[in-house]
Amino acid sequence: QVQLQESGPGLVKPSGTLSLTCAVSGGSVSSTYWWTWVRQPPGKGLEWIGEMHPSGSTNYNPSLKSRVTISVDKSKNQFSLKLNSVTAADTAVYYCTRRIAYLDSWGQGTLVTVSS
Amino acid sequence: EIVLTQSPDFQSVTPKEKVTITCRASQSIGSSLHWYQQHPDQSPKLLIKYASQSISGVPSRFSGSGSGTDFTLTINSLEAEDAATYYCQQSTTPYTFGQGTKLEIK
Repeated sequence: QVQLQESGPGLVKPSGTLSLTCAVSGGSVSSTYWWTWVRQPPGKGLEWIGEMHPSGSTNYNPSLKSRVTISVDKSKNQFSLKLNSVTAADTAVYYCTRRIAYLDSWGQGTLVTVSS
Repeated sequence: EIVLTQSPDFQSVTPKEKVTITCRASQSIGSSLHWYQQHPDQSPKLLIKYASQSISGVPSRFSGSGSGTDFTLTINSLEAEDAATYYCQQSTTPYTFGQGTKLEIK
């Protein structure tokens, strides 16, 4: 059973860069899944951010594409999210997930607050 | 972008009641529709894949149906632990979710 665990700063300043890492255990990031990030603003619904396949292919939400980078580190068995030029609207719980077509494994989520 | 619209947004139900949640897509998506359950302060959990396929470990009272643009999640004989928010998700990029349906147990 694969397990995912997010880590990173819980507070980011406006105009700064949000950086999160997802450690994968019980499975390999080199396997044929899409490693995906989803976020959820407080009290609101789910928003797909983007994903990366170990082949190097990526897909991003068009609404965030200009600000997002997702990468996979096979040597550390983890994948990462960078979101730049953040504003208060980026305050959310960020989840790392694994996608086939559906999202079958989720991390516990980490709250990132954008505030000065 | 495919928009998913769930109904209702909120429902208050009694134990043992049968519950139906619908998800309508803005264009046909075949069977590429999946359902998730999210309890407060927890991460979502996959309930149903490809509109109607069951997931190992998920109670049999949860079932899904539909294709094209109209989909349904049914919970038979509701239990107290089913109090949660339910989301549908479609798997054509950009992937999108419904706005969620919150179930409250009376």
